[in-house]
Amino acid sequence: DAKTTQPPSMDCAEGRAANLPCNHSTISGNEYVYWYRQIHSQGPQYIIHGLKNNETNEMASLIITEDRKSSTLILPHATLRDTAVYYCIAGYNAGNMLTFGGGTRLMVKP
Amino acid sequence: GAVVSQHPSRVICKSGTSVKIECRSLDFQATTMFWYRQFPKKSLMLMATSNEGSKATYEQGVEKDKFLINHASLTLSTLTVTSAHPEDSSFYICSANSGEDTQYFGPGTRLTVL
Repeated sequence: DAKTTQPPSMDCAEGRAANLPCNHSTISGNEYVYWYRQIHSQGPQYIIHGLKNNETNEMASLIITEDRKSSTLILPHATLRDTAVYYCIAGYNAGNMLTFGGGTRLMVKP
Repeated sequence: GAVVSQHPSRVICKSGTSVKIECRSLDFQATTMFWYRQFPKKSLMLMATSNEGSKATYEQGVEKDKFLINHASLTLSTLTVTSAHPEDSSFYICSANSGEDTQYFGPGTRLTVL
């Protein structure tokens, strides 16, 4: 799996958009970009994933650069319950193991 | 999304005893399940890959005789920590592939060894 780099922490005001960056400059052509989040003392929660195109679901949007070397997870209207550690992972598919890095600790503040 | 459960959610045991943790895929069949371990303030570390009907594949540094994995059916994998010691105290998390391009994780099991 390609290595990913994320800022260790970020703050966001409640109600504002949270934009979480991820660098994956060594990603290979058939590796997906996965985003999970982990709220304290819980298992990771799947958010979204993509290969080349931007993706959107009810939780978030994923913007992948054209060269696929970086991506941004967007939480359009952050709430206090979005406070968590967000992990960006590059992986071939869900049948393979996922390698977790340090993630970004997002703190949503009132 | 698909649901993965773990049981128990937390367990406290004495040093030297064995503890079994169950991981179930509730609404899908999973030919492959994964077991992770997470120490406080650290990220998840893969311990082993569990394949239904075959032996598990362990990551380097994980003792297969200490962490016994049994994937007896397409919906159940178990992790048994044998002769547990305080250094085995951790948060154990399983995940399963629903057959789509996504892994779903269980809620985790907090093991405390006294």
